[in-house]
Amino acid sequence: GAGVSQSPSNKVTEKGKDVELRCDPISGHTALYWYRQRLGQGLEFLIYFQGNSAPDKSGLPSDRFSAERTGESVSTLTIQRTQQEDSAVYLCASSPRGLAGADTQYFGPGTRLTVL
Amino acid sequence: AQSVAQPEDQVNVAEGNPLTVKCTYSVSGNPYLFWYVQYPNRGLQFLLKYITGDNLVKGSYGFEAEFNKSQTSFHLKKPSALVSDSALYFCAVRDRTNQGGKLIFGQGTELSVKP
Repeated sequence: GAGVSQSPSNKVTEKGKDVELRCDPISGHTALYWYRQRLGQGLEFLIYFQGNSAPDKSGLPSDRFSAERTGESVSTLTIQRTQQEDSAVYLCASSPRGLAGADTQYFGPGTRLTVL
Repeated sequence: AQSVAQPEDQVNVAEGNPLTVKCTYSVSGNPYLFWYVQYPNRGLQFLLKYITGDNLVKGSYGFEAEFNKSQTSFHLKKPSALVSDSALYFCAVRDRTNQGGKLIFGQGTELSVKP
């Protein structure tokens, strides 16, 4: 079946502009996660959705970052007034259930964001 | 604080030789443990995970990992490396008490397998 998809694959923007990144999870997966991967580093957790609610937003680095999810479907991560330090690959993952068990998280290909 | 350490930035192995990629963690309780692999310009692919039971876990592409509770380690192994195994490998842990299930990742280890 189809995996996690993300769009755009690459985004170049100017400092101060707003950007929206999109994630389409695997159909039927109730849990959705956003992570950030800076060059040469591991992944940092940003936010977790269970359905369309976000019980854990602890990884969002500032109030310029926000995310929403429509039902158990697509999610968008919005970065306002982008800064150069926001340049990174933003990865989305989904899993069947977030609340219990050791479900595997399946990752999308990521969106590479470059802020000039 | 919860953390994952991958002490080697890079591991070099000759094709056909065994490989080990090391991972240690600092998480309370008995976490779930994962290994992912990332090929250039690709997302992360799941390799294997430890939940409970047998300390030796077998996964995709001939990889296996050994959970050692006393040493808080979860090293990734393969008996005979292939050139195609060259990639970036990430160890990750999940706190069982965290209802949301966020993963905490190590910094990654670049595996290079030479012919």
